[in-house]
Amino acid sequence: NAGVTQTPKFQVLKTGQSMTLQCAQDMNHNSMYWYRQDPGMGLRLIYYSASEGTTDKGEVPNGYNVSRLNKREFSLRLESAAPSQTSVYFCASSTGERKNQPQHFGDGTRLSIL
Amino acid sequence: AQKITQTQPGMFVQEKEAVTLDCTYDTSDPSYGLFWYKQPSSGEMIFLIYQGSYDQQNATEGRYSLNFQKARKSANLVISASQLGDSAMYFCAMREGGYSSASKIIFGSGTRLSIRP
Repeated sequence: NAGVTQTPKFQVLKTGQSMTLQCAQDMNHNSMYWYRQDPGMGLRLIYYSASEGTTDKGEVPNGYNVSRLNKREFSLRLESAAPSQTSVYFCASSTGERKNQPQHFGDGTRLSIL
Repeated sequence: AQKITQTQPGMFVQEKEAVTLDCTYDTSDPSYGLFWYKQPSSGEMIFLIYQGSYDQQNATEGRYSLNFQKARKSANLVISASQLGDSAMYFCAMREGGYSSASKIIFGSGTRLSIRP
């Protein structure tokens, strides 16, 4: 039961470098989400994809881009990393078909920007 | 616009006591859902309980219940007979949208619950 798999688990970047965080789910879910969680704080929505082929901005999209590669995969790209993007990034998925179904989360990617 | 507010940054509770974690929300959509998640120090997100805006009764799941007051736009989580393992961050989340629509889900800032032995 893999569920939602995020890679990598840890990453250190220098300011200005680019990086793509990968997320894949094996539950045949329609909807996928990217959140960031800063220390001691809640999750803030970066982007989400309601279904394959669609993406929408969340609460904090600036500095990020996403790609819904197929139904399974949803990637998050930092084009020019900044120290303010140091955070733990969570990918989540849900069926999108019934509103009472909870999200399933990956284990997170701890990203540090120096 | 959607908004979720958790006004208690941290709480200390004696073991075996009941505890209420507050959550208020704001939405103009008559159809929405509210979720509570637990995040232990290990970092994973654990789903606890769900309440739909049209549900007639308050949701319950074991020791967890939801005090849903629709007119006041509040959805407080009640944990009965707290245990040491309940020490964690707790997040309230909201999804807008109808039955078949997928929409964004936003989270509150969380409450850190600490259970004292």
